Amino acid sequence: EAGVVQSPRYKIIEKKQPVAFWCNPISGHNTLYWYRQNLGQGPELLIRYENEEAVDDSQLPKDRFSAERLKGVDSTLKIQPAELGDSAVYLCASSLDREETQYFGPGTRLLVL
Amino acid sequence: AQSVTQLDSQVPVFEEAPVELRCNYSSSVSVYLFWYVQYPNQGLQLLLKYLSGSTLVKGINGFEAEFNKSQTSFHLRKPSVHISDTAEYFCAVSKQAGTALIFGKGTTLSVSS
Repeated sequence: EAGVVQSPRYKIIEKKQPVAFWCNPISGHNTLYWYRQNLGQGPELLIRYENEEAVDDSQLPKDRFSAERLKGVDSTLKIQPAELGDSAVYLCASSLDREETQYFGPGTRLLVL
Repeated sequence: AQSVTQLDSQVPVFEEAPVELRCNYSSSVSVYLFWYVQYPNQGLQLLLKYLSGSTLVKGINGFEAEFNKSQTSFHLRKPSVHISDTAEYFCAVSKQAGTALIFGKGTTLSVSS
């Protein structure tokens, strides 16, 4: 069974540029999470989807971040414009409905110059 | 709100020695508890989880953890470590299935020969 797939794995951009990350969860997992992991820290939730509905986006900086999960499968997280402080690893995770275990992808490492 | 404190940021040990990685949590409600491992440039992999029942939980790669409700702790142990156990270890809690994981800052386990 394929795990959570993320792309790209690495991205280097200049500040004020836009950037997008893509995530394909494990087949059949209806709950999808985006976390941000700053250097030396644990991951922190940005947004959580149940199917195509964003049910927890309280930690998403909505002035520059946006996300979508059309058709309730894969998801895209966008930053526009990027700032130096956005340099981090962006992790996607998925889980079955009402299942406590979250399965993580390899992450996208973003460096903003 | 829940919070997680990992008491040691770095733990250096020699190969075949026992190790304990300490985790304390704070919550006003019952929680689920997890330990994840992160190898360099990879996502998080679940080591073990406590949901209910027996307070001693066994996981993959010979790791185990003990839930102590009175101490609000969930320490991770392994009786004999290998070089390949060198990684970052994260303790996490969630208040119910399908919600955000709250992570500690991580403990770097360095195993040398």
